[in-house]
Order: sequence, then C-alpha cells, then structure tokens
Amino acid sequence: GIQVEQSPPDLILQEGANSTLRCNFSDSVNNLQWFHQNPWGQLINLFYIPSGTKQNGRLSATTVATERYSLLYISSSQTTDSGVYFCAVASQSGGSNYKLTFGKGTLLTVNP
Amino acid sequence: DSGVTQTPKHLITATGQRVTLRCSPRSGDLSVYWYQQSLDQGLQFLIQYYNGEERAKGNILERFSAQQFPDLHSELNLSSLELGDSALYFCASSSDTEAFFGQGTRLTVV
Repeated sequence: GIQVEQSPPDLILQEGANSTLRCNFSDSVNNLQWFHQNPWGQLINLFYIPSGTKQNGRLSATTVATERYSLLYISSSQTTDSGVYFCAVASQSGGSNYKLTFGKGTLLTVNP
Repeated sequence: DSGVTQTPKHLITATGQRVTLRCSPRSGDLSVYWYQQSLDQGLQFLIQYYNGEERAKGNILERFSAQQFPDLHSELNLSSLELGDSALYFCASSSDTEAFFGQGTRLTVV
C-alpha cells in the first residue's frame, strides 16, 4: 500500500516563529488532507489539497503531486497551534473509496 | 464542529466484554469510515461502508464488525475485548472528496 512519511517528527518553537512541515508519499494520490489533532484528541481539518496551493489565515499548504510531496506552512505560530499535525492521503481504487493512509504525524510544541 | 457525531465519548469496560460504538455521518454523506488510533500503530483504517454496503476493509480484527443502517448511521462492534484494544476510535464521513472526522470514542479496556 501507499506509504506516507512526515518530517520532522517533533518540532519545538517559540511563539511568533514560522515553520514548515513536510509530507512525502510513495504513489500518486487523488486525495491529500492535513489535519491538526488538538490536545483533546479532536482531528480538525486544515486543508483538502490533492494539488496546488491554498491559504487559510496563518496557515498555507502546497502539494506538488508530480513530485509526491506536500508542505504545510505555519506562520507567526501561537501556543494554540500546539498538537500533532497529520498528513493523510488516499488513492482511489474504484468508486467512492477514499480510505485515508495517515503519516505518523509531527508533534508541534509552541512555547510562550 | 465537523458534523460527524460519535457516541459515547468515553467507554471503560473489562476484558472479554463487547461494546458498540455509534456514528452519525454528516448530512448527505453516504460513506462512513472507521479508524483506530493507538500509541503503537498510529491512525489506521479499519473499514468503510458506502450507502449500507461494505466497500473496503483495512486492518480490522475478526473480533470487530461494523454495519451501516438505512438511515446511514453506522455502528462498530468490538467483542472479546483485550487490553490491547484500548484506543481512540474515530468515525469519518465523506461525499467522495474531503473526509470529516467525529470527536472519537476513547475506549479503555481494564
């Protein structure tokens, strides 16, 4: 099956710093999502981005599907950004099948 | 709020018991997915239902089963529970593109 690798596994920042999280995947995909898992365990949708670039406030993401990677940028980080960031991909095998394969995540800690 | 509802939020049960986790998908979504998140295995896909039919199977144990009902809600049944089944169980729904996740059910087997 498809492999998803995320880097770095851990990241510690001071409030206000910028960061880039990377997701590499081993095969072509037609679905790629970034999630933030907060300390309460909730998986919050950040981006649905199988290709191209999107921005939402301080967060932006870029997926280069031909080179099989995606980047998540966090600017001016805040303590509330702390948590685990997951990249998940799906390669549709046929009709309405978007089961996601998750990476191991990047644990982000933002210190005040 | 993702629009996906899971109950219960927490569940504590003894080894050997059986539990049922419930999921209501977002309005209009036909696909329901179940995932397990454990410390050693990470987030893993278990099973998918689409409009009442099983569509895909992942690393789901034979002791686990699921179904999707005509009103599209889904239940995940876990039986003969073992300590290692303690995990966070997520349900997700999608309408063929972006998936949205419920808050999860944290299962503790003692």
